[in-house]
Amino acid sequence: QSALTQPASVSGSPGQSITISCTGTSSDVGTYNLVSWYQQHPGKVPKLMIYEGSKRPSGVSNRFSGSKSGNTASLTISGLQAEDEADYYCCSYAGSRPVVFGGGTKLTVL
Amino acid sequence: EVLLLESGGGSVQPGGSLRLSCAASGFTFSSYAMSWVRQAPGKGLEWVSGISGSTGSRYYGDSVKGRFTISRDNSKNTLYLQMSSLRAEDTAIYYCAKDLDTAMLSLFDYWGQGTLVTVSS
Repeated sequence: QSALTQPASVSGSPGQSITISCTGTSSDVGTYNLVSWYQQHPGKVPKLMIYEGSKRPSGVSNRFSGSKSGNTASLTISGLQAEDEADYYCCSYAGSRPVVFGGGTKLTVL
Repeated sequence: EVLLLESGGGSVQPGGSLRLSCAASGFTFSSYAMSWVRQAPGKGLEWVSGISGSTGSRYYGDSVKGRFTISRDNSKNTLYLQMSSLRAEDTAIYYCAKDLDTAMLSLFDYWGQGTLVTVSS
């Protein structure tokens, strides 16, 4: 059982937008603006897509955006492309613990 | 170019020990927090342990506390994970990951390729 809750799967058609939620508690997502999102293709290494809730590392497409409301963080991918099909994980700083991951969401591009 | 190269994985019997290493290059190693993150076959990511860059403070996940020890040698630009009392559920790919800051912020901007640890009799 993961500390952060994500939907097991989401899907969308090319060109559409999808949102993946990541629900934590007031001890992690709700208190700290230190949520990150990772993309992992099968057999590959996780890649940082969003950090500090909404910032994009250099080289990451602006189709990826992050936000937060209360104890829930969200990753939105707009203009869905076939190459976006992957597993996505959220992660949050959690004070004394100090790191918690979500269980992961499998994105299928139809 | 930032590079993280893990080594030391392999097969071990339950109750055994193993030491993982992560050789870092391309950045000022001592200035950044580092972590170990694992992924069991077909499962999600699990943070295992981390160490800050400035103070060397160490942190552990509940599942490994008391069994694993993280350390770093800044003179060798190397991160370590000493694993003991290994269990079948420790079987996973172990990734070394660099944090964005000297403090543990759980913002991992670079990851190694991983090293596989298999615990089985």
